[in-house]
Amino acid sequence: NAGVTQTPKFQVLKTGQSMTLQCAQDMNHNSMYWYRQDPGMGLRLIYYSASEGTTDKGEVPNGYNVSRLNKREFSLRLESAAPSQTSVYFCASSDSRVSYTFGSGTRLTVV
Amino acid sequence: KQEVTQIPAALSVPEGENLVLNCSFTDSAIYNLQWFRQDPGKGLTSLLLIQSSQREQTSGRLNASLDKSSGRSTLYIAASQPGDSATYLCAVKRGGANSKLTFGKGITLSVRP
Repeated sequence: NAGVTQTPKFQVLKTGQSMTLQCAQDMNHNSMYWYRQDPGMGLRLIYYSASEGTTDKGEVPNGYNVSRLNKREFSLRLESAAPSQTSVYFCASSDSRVSYTFGSGTRLTVV
Repeated sequence: KQEVTQIPAALSVPEGENLVLNCSFTDSAIYNLQWFRQDPGKGLTSLLLIQSSQREQTSGRLNASLDKSSGRSTLYIAASQPGDSATYLCAVKRGGANSKLTFGKGITLSVRP
Protein backbone atom coordinates (compact mmCIF):
# COMPACT_ATOMS: atom_id res chain seq x y z
CA ASN A 1 0.00 0.00 0.00
CA ALA A 2 1.23 3.48 -0.85
CA GLY A 3 2.21 5.61 2.10
CA VAL A 4 4.88 6.63 4.58
CA THR A 5 6.81 3.92 6.42
CA GLN A 6 8.67 4.64 9.65
CA THR A 7 11.06 2.37 11.50
CA PRO A 8 11.37 1.44 14.28
CA LYS A 9 7.91 1.70 15.87
CA PHE A 10 9.26 1.64 19.43
CA GLN A 11 12.67 2.35 20.90
CA VAL A 12 14.19 2.75 24.35
CA LEU A 13 17.53 4.53 24.60
CA LYS A 14 19.85 5.34 27.43
CA THR A 15 20.93 8.94 27.85
CA GLY A 16 23.85 9.68 25.56
CA GLN A 17 23.14 6.91 23.07
CA SER A 18 22.60 7.69 19.41
CA MET A 19 20.08 6.37 16.93
CA THR A 20 18.58 7.06 13.53
CA LEU A 21 14.87 7.05 12.75
CA GLN A 22 14.14 5.96 9.22
CA CYS A 23 11.36 7.21 6.96
CA ALA A 24 10.46 6.27 3.41
CA GLN A 25 7.60 7.31 1.12
CA ASP A 26 6.49 5.79 -2.15
CA MET A 27 4.20 8.54 -3.43
CA ASN A 28 6.89 10.46 -5.31
CA HIS A 29 6.36 13.49 -3.05
CA ASN A 30 8.95 16.24 -3.13
CA SER A 31 8.61 17.40 0.47
CA MET A 32 9.22 15.43 3.64
CA TYR A 33 8.96 16.40 7.31
CA TRP A 34 9.83 15.25 10.80
CA TYR A 35 7.53 16.21 13.68
CA ARG A 36 7.51 15.39 17.36
CA GLN A 37 4.29 15.15 19.37
CA ASP A 38 4.24 15.74 23.09
CA PRO A 39 1.25 15.96 25.49
CA GLY A 40 0.03 19.53 25.75
CA MET A 41 2.48 20.75 23.09
CA GLY A 42 0.87 19.44 19.95
CA LEU A 43 2.87 18.65 16.83
CA ARG A 44 6.09 20.57 16.40
CA LEU A 45 8.24 20.58 13.29
CA ILE A 46 11.83 19.43 13.81
CA TYR A 47 13.25 19.52 10.28
CA TYR A 48 11.89 19.45 6.77
CA SER A 49 13.11 18.86 3.25
CA ALA A 50 11.32 20.78 0.52
CA SER A 51 13.00 18.74 -2.20
CA GLU A 52 15.73 16.17 -2.70
CA GLY A 53 19.06 17.62 -1.66
CA THR A 54 17.71 20.34 0.63
CA THR A 55 16.96 20.39 4.35
CA ASP A 56 15.90 23.18 6.69
CA LYS A 57 15.35 23.65 10.39
CA GLY A 58 11.88 23.74 11.82
CA GLU A 59 10.65 24.92 15.17
CA VAL A 60 12.66 22.56 17.44
CA PRO A 61 15.83 21.39 15.64
CA ASN A 62 18.29 21.36 18.54
CA GLY A 63 19.71 17.90 19.26
CA TYR A 64 18.72 16.49 15.87
CA ASN A 65 20.21 16.07 12.43
CA VAL A 66 18.58 14.92 9.20
CA SER A 67 19.58 13.44 5.88
CA ARG A 68 17.54 13.44 2.69
CA LEU A 69 19.13 10.37 1.23
CA ASN A 70 17.11 10.46 -1.99
CA LYS A 71 13.60 11.45 -3.01
CA ARG A 72 12.08 8.54 -1.07
CA GLU A 73 14.02 8.60 2.20
CA PHE A 74 14.42 11.15 4.98
CA SER A 75 16.15 10.09 8.18
CA LEU A 76 16.32 11.75 11.60
CA ARG A 77 19.36 11.24 13.83
CA LEU A 78 19.76 11.79 17.54
CA GLU A 79 23.49 12.03 18.20
CA SER A 80 23.34 12.02 22.01
CA ALA A 81 19.87 11.26 23.29
CA ALA A 82 18.47 13.19 26.26
CA PRO A 83 15.37 12.48 28.37
CA SER A 84 13.80 15.65 26.89
CA GLN A 85 13.74 13.86 23.54
CA THR A 86 11.28 11.28 24.84
CA SER A 87 8.40 11.75 22.45
CA VAL A 88 6.44 10.33 19.57
CA TYR A 89 8.09 11.13 16.25
CA PHE A 90 6.14 11.37 13.01
CA CYS A 91 7.42 11.55 9.48
CA ALA A 92 5.21 13.03 6.76
CA SER A 93 5.36 13.77 3.07
CA SER A 94 3.44 16.05 0.73
CA ASP A 95 3.52 17.68 -2.66
CA SER A 96 2.23 21.19 -3.45
CA ARG A 97 -1.57 21.10 -3.32
CA VAL A 98 -2.10 17.61 -1.91
CA SER A 99 -2.67 16.81 1.72
CA TYR A 100 0.05 15.51 3.98
CA THR A 101 0.49 11.77 4.49
CA PHE A 102 1.82 10.72 7.88
CA GLY A 103 3.63 7.62 9.02
CA SER A 104 2.39 5.65 12.01
CA GLY A 105 5.03 7.11 14.34
CA THR A 106 8.02 6.06 16.43
CA ARG A 107 7.60 6.01 20.19
CA LEU A 108 10.95 6.89 21.71
CA THR A 109 11.78 6.72 25.40
CA VAL A 110 15.12 8.03 26.68
CA VAL A 111 16.00 6.87 30.19
CA LYS B 1 4.12 33.83 13.38
CA GLN B 2 1.06 31.76 12.57
CA GLU B 3 -0.81 30.42 15.59
CA VAL B 4 -3.61 27.88 15.37
CA THR B 5 -6.07 27.49 18.24
CA GLN B 6 -8.63 24.77 18.84
CA ILE B 7 -11.06 25.20 21.69
CA PRO B 8 -12.25 23.30 23.66
CA ALA B 9 -9.49 20.75 24.14
CA ALA B 10 -12.01 17.97 24.79
CA LEU B 11 -15.65 17.37 23.97
CA SER B 12 -18.09 14.63 24.95
CA VAL B 13 -21.41 14.21 23.15
CA PRO B 14 -24.14 11.55 22.93
CA GLU B 15 -24.38 9.42 19.81
CA GLY B 16 -26.44 10.92 17.01
CA GLU B 17 -25.69 14.54 17.80
CA ASN B 18 -24.57 16.91 15.06
CA LEU B 19 -21.47 18.77 16.18
CA VAL B 20 -19.10 21.52 15.17
CA LEU B 21 -15.39 21.63 15.90
CA ASN B 22 -13.76 25.04 15.70
CA CYS B 23 -10.34 26.16 14.56
CA SER B 24 -8.96 29.70 14.50
CA PHE B 25 -5.72 31.04 13.03
CA THR B 26 -3.98 34.38 13.38
CA ASP B 27 -2.59 34.99 9.88
CA SER B 28 -5.22 35.01 7.16
CA ALA B 29 -2.63 34.69 4.37
CA ILE B 30 -2.94 30.95 4.17
CA TYR B 31 -2.36 28.60 1.24
CA ASN B 32 -4.65 25.86 2.50
CA LEU B 33 -6.15 24.38 5.64
CA GLN B 34 -6.42 20.73 6.53
CA TRP B 35 -8.33 18.70 9.08
CA PHE B 36 -6.78 15.49 10.41
CA ARG B 37 -7.98 12.69 12.62
CA GLN B 38 -5.74 10.88 15.09
CA ASP B 39 -6.79 7.72 16.90
CA PRO B 40 -5.02 6.87 20.19
CA GLY B 41 -1.52 5.56 19.56
CA LYS B 42 -1.81 6.07 15.83
CA GLY B 43 -0.62 8.48 13.17
CA LEU B 44 -2.62 11.27 11.57
CA THR B 45 -5.12 10.66 8.80
CA SER B 46 -6.10 13.49 6.49
CA LEU B 47 -9.86 14.12 6.45
CA LEU B 48 -10.38 17.25 4.37
CA LEU B 49 -8.21 19.78 2.58
CA ILE B 50 -9.53 23.26 1.74
CA GLN B 51 -7.55 25.44 -0.63
CA SER B 52 -7.46 29.17 0.14
CA SER B 53 -9.77 29.89 -2.79
CA GLN B 54 -12.43 27.49 -1.53
CA ARG B 55 -15.12 27.99 1.08
CA GLU B 56 -15.87 24.39 2.01
CA GLN B 57 -15.21 20.73 1.36
CA THR B 58 -17.39 17.71 2.06
CA SER B 59 -16.68 14.04 2.55
CA GLY B 60 -19.52 11.81 3.69
CA ARG B 61 -20.76 13.03 7.07
CA LEU B 62 -17.97 15.58 7.32
CA ASN B 63 -18.09 19.15 6.10
CA ALA B 64 -15.30 21.66 6.60
CA SER B 65 -15.68 25.38 6.00
CA LEU B 66 -13.11 28.12 5.70
CA ASP B 67 -13.47 31.85 6.35
CA LYS B 68 -10.07 33.38 5.72
CA SER B 69 -11.08 36.94 6.53
CA SER B 70 -12.11 36.01 10.06
CA GLY B 71 -9.36 33.41 10.49
CA ARG B 72 -11.77 30.57 11.20
CA SER B 73 -12.56 27.05 10.06
CA THR B 74 -15.18 24.63 11.29
CA LEU B 75 -15.48 20.88 10.94
CA TYR B 76 -19.09 19.74 11.00
CA ILE B 77 -19.80 16.10 11.84
CA ALA B 78 -23.33 14.95 11.14
CA ALA B 79 -25.05 12.23 13.13
CA SER B 80 -22.03 11.43 15.28
CA GLN B 81 -21.15 7.80 16.03
CA PRO B 82 -18.94 6.17 18.69
CA GLY B 83 -16.47 5.40 15.90
CA ASP B 84 -15.95 9.14 15.45
CA SER B 85 -14.22 9.24 18.84
CA ALA B 86 -10.70 10.50 18.18
CA THR B 87 -8.59 13.64 18.29
CA TYR B 88 -9.24 16.11 15.47
CA LEU B 89 -6.44 18.45 14.46
CA CYS B 90 -6.57 21.52 12.31
CA ALA B 91 -3.48 22.67 10.40
CA VAL B 92 -2.79 25.63 8.15
CA LYS B 93 -0.19 26.11 5.46
CA ARG B 94 0.68 29.72 4.81
CA GLY B 95 2.72 31.22 2.04
CA GLY B 96 3.47 29.13 -1.00
CA ALA B 97 2.99 25.52 -1.98
CA ASN B 98 6.20 24.39 -0.30
CA SER B 99 5.68 26.11 3.02
CA LYS B 100 5.05 24.20 6.20
CA LEU B 101 1.98 23.23 8.18
CA THR B 102 1.25 24.78 11.55
CA PHE B 103 -0.92 22.57 13.75
CA GLY B 104 -3.43 23.28 16.44
CA LYS B 105 -3.27 21.12 19.56
CA GLY B 106 -6.41 19.23 18.64
CA ILE B 107 -9.84 18.52 20.07
CA THR B 108 -10.36 15.12 21.69
CA LEU B 109 -13.88 13.98 20.87
CA SER B 110 -15.72 11.27 22.74
CA VAL B 111 -19.06 10.08 21.35
CA ARG B 112 -21.06 8.21 24.00
CA PRO B 113 -23.26 5.27 22.89
